[in-house]
Amino acid sequence: DVKVTQSSRYLVKRTGEKVFLECVQDMDHENMFWYRQDPGLGLRLIYFSYDVKMKEKGDIPEGYSVSREKKERFSLILESASTNQTSMYLCASSSGTQGYTDTQYFGPGTRLTVL
Amino acid sequence: DQQVKQNSPSLSVQEGRISILNCDYTNSMFDYFLWYKKYPAEGPTFLISISSIKDKNEDGRFTVFLNKSAKHLSLHIVPSQPGDSAVYFCAASDDGSSNTGKLIFGQGTTLQVKP
Repeated sequence: DVKVTQSSRYLVKRTGEKVFLECVQDMDHENMFWYRQDPGLGLRLIYFSYDVKMKEKGDIPEGYSVSREKKERFSLILESASTNQTSMYLCASSSGTQGYTDTQYFGPGTRLTVL
Repeated sequence: DQQVKQNSPSLSVQEGRISILNCDYTNSMFDYFLWYKKYPAEGPTFLISISSIKDKNEDGRFTVFLNKSAKHLSLHIVPSQPGDSAVYFCAASDDGSSNTGKLIFGQGTTLQVKP
């Protein structure tokens, strides 16, 4: 079974803090993704990575950065947290071998609250 | 602009009856469609998919129908069970995202199946 783990289930931070969200997958997947889920907006892609040290912006990258130093680990960084970044953050991975029919496997999510 | 839309935020059905969840899309380049299911405090899990060369795909109680001319797909669950109560996300991809497997998600529909 594919396992995608996220470092925290719940996180509370203060405005202006630097926040790190970690994601690890154990299936040697090429692709990794960060989404945020908000009511009425669904899942919106923040950043994705299709190889180590490679990254591409998704639909809402502003205020975020990412790091992928190792294949299994993809980190999302909030440089200076703001209250509008309070959300559920979901990490996903896919093999990269099935092209556009690849299935994404998700972690359990991190509920981030910025006060 | 939302390229994948789920216009019904919620749906309530009786156990044993049919659940029909709808999804519309605007990008005619989309070639592959997926449904994900999400329970509270868990990440989304893949449910069923359909390629644009088909108009129907069935997997047990779950059937997805695709109407390309109307840019519409639907998920049918028959018979519905209380354990099907979850948020359902529709997603789409196109062959332009060949190696990245990038998906566009809808807003989600919360299904409640009453015993």
